[in-house]
Amino acid sequence: DSGVTQTPKHLITATGQRVTLRCSPRSGDLSVYWYQQSLDQGLQFLIQYYNGEERAKGNILERFSAQQFPDLHSELNLSSLELGDSALYFCASSVAEGGGASGELFFGEGSRLTVL
Amino acid sequence: GENVEQHPSTLSVQEGDSAVIKCTYSDSASNYFPWYKQELGKRPQLIIDIRSNVGEKKDQRIAVTLNKTAKHFSLHITETQPEDSAVYFCAASLAGGSYIPTFGRGTSLIVHP
Repeated sequence: DSGVTQTPKHLITATGQRVTLRCSPRSGDLSVYWYQQSLDQGLQFLIQYYNGEERAKGNILERFSAQQFPDLHSELNLSSLELGDSALYFCASSVAEGGGASGELFFGEGSRLTVL
Repeated sequence: GENVEQHPSTLSVQEGDSAVIKCTYSDSASNYFPWYKQELGKRPQLIIDIRSNVGEKKDQRIAVTLNKTAKHFSLHITETQPEDSAVYFCAASLAGGSYIPTFGRGTSLIVHP
């Protein structure tokens, strides 16, 4: 158990809909990262938050947005969903920015999104 | 930004053989190179890492080597076992800084009994 909690584990929805994925980082971790993993694809970095502030953006679509709340949990909002958005969405956390002194990211179990 | 290339994309070996996965990176400022293992349907987990002040690191059957001059690093697994079957990701980042870990595309390792 990494200590990172993601909900829901599975989500099936229709095109055009909007969903919210939730992530609770490890206790004490200030940095949250969101990654998208499509079939046979690597880990595509979407966005990072550190202590409530957006720190870096990757290949995140305009239809997607995220935020980190004062209690450090984070939510990834996906709207106007398309078939191609079907993927496994991972949240990861670390103590500090860029993985902190140790560099390690701790991943949650992921939220599998299926868009029909 | 950083770019990480990983090869091969698929690696099939017989149980007991060795497996080698290679990665190259582009940003000479990167100083932290972790390897993550992702079993089918599971989350990626760190298995070994190396920092730029070290050329090689071993942990039982796995080892990682780093060539800073050539900007490439490799994962070596000896005496492979079926439970080593998984997708392996390399990454490069600046530990302690604001760099976001950049991952390679992954290598699917299949160990045949």
